[in-house]
Amino acid sequence: AQKITQTQPGMFVQEKEAVTLDCTYDTSDPSYGLFWYKQPSSGEMIFLIYQGSYDQQNATEGRYSLNFQKARKSANLVISASQLGDSAMYFCAMREGQADSGGGADGLTFGKGTHLIIQP
Amino acid sequence: DGGITQSPKYLFRKEGQNVTLSCEQNLNHDAMYWYRQDPGQGLRLIYYSQIVNDFQKGDIAEGYSVSREKKESFPLTVTSAQKNPTAFYLCASGGGTDTQYFGPGTRLTVL
Repeated sequence: AQKITQTQPGMFVQEKEAVTLDCTYDTSDPSYGLFWYKQPSSGEMIFLIYQGSYDQQNATEGRYSLNFQKARKSANLVISASQLGDSAMYFCAMREGQADSGGGADGLTFGKGTHLIIQP
Repeated sequence: DGGITQSPKYLFRKEGQNVTLSCEQNLNHDAMYWYRQDPGQGLRLIYYSQIVNDFQKGDIAEGYSVSREKKESFPLTVTSAQKNPTAFYLCASGGGTDTQYFGPGTRLTVL
């Protein structure tokens, strides 16, 4: 079974509208972290937002927020007031197990991504 | 400026040749990672290192090798044993927190 599922291969959204990108995850570990990355056509992976499994509140970073529904194992990314520059691939990723605070965590497991296109 | 550099940006290899991809970071991070990305796919973990002189296999380590002699450097060698090496390779680092930060990537093509 896939550990990270992104069900939207592609999305078209009008500029200035809000966007929700779906992500569901599968883990039996009580401690985990969830991430969203943006990948423009240049290929670099840009970190957007992080949610820890024990965090009580949904994470927010500027126009990005993470709708974390633990019981449903869902971690959807919400982009408010979309801009043309938001057009890119978006990846959801998960780290399982407790992060090693001294040396960083084990590797991340990524979903297959959603290709978001913002139309003027 | 602090960051992660990868070189070269593009790399062409003949079948049967080993090639080494460079990854350097000046973020003082203890952990470093190598991922592979195929077209239309997410990233898959090749190797990672949480401390100098130590590294672990990821999900797709076969045909690859790494070394971690310095904190700042984590080179990846793609050996001739890797049957399908054409891909986009991304290096990342992390330390103290969960978040991994990525370099710009190397695009490897086998001729």
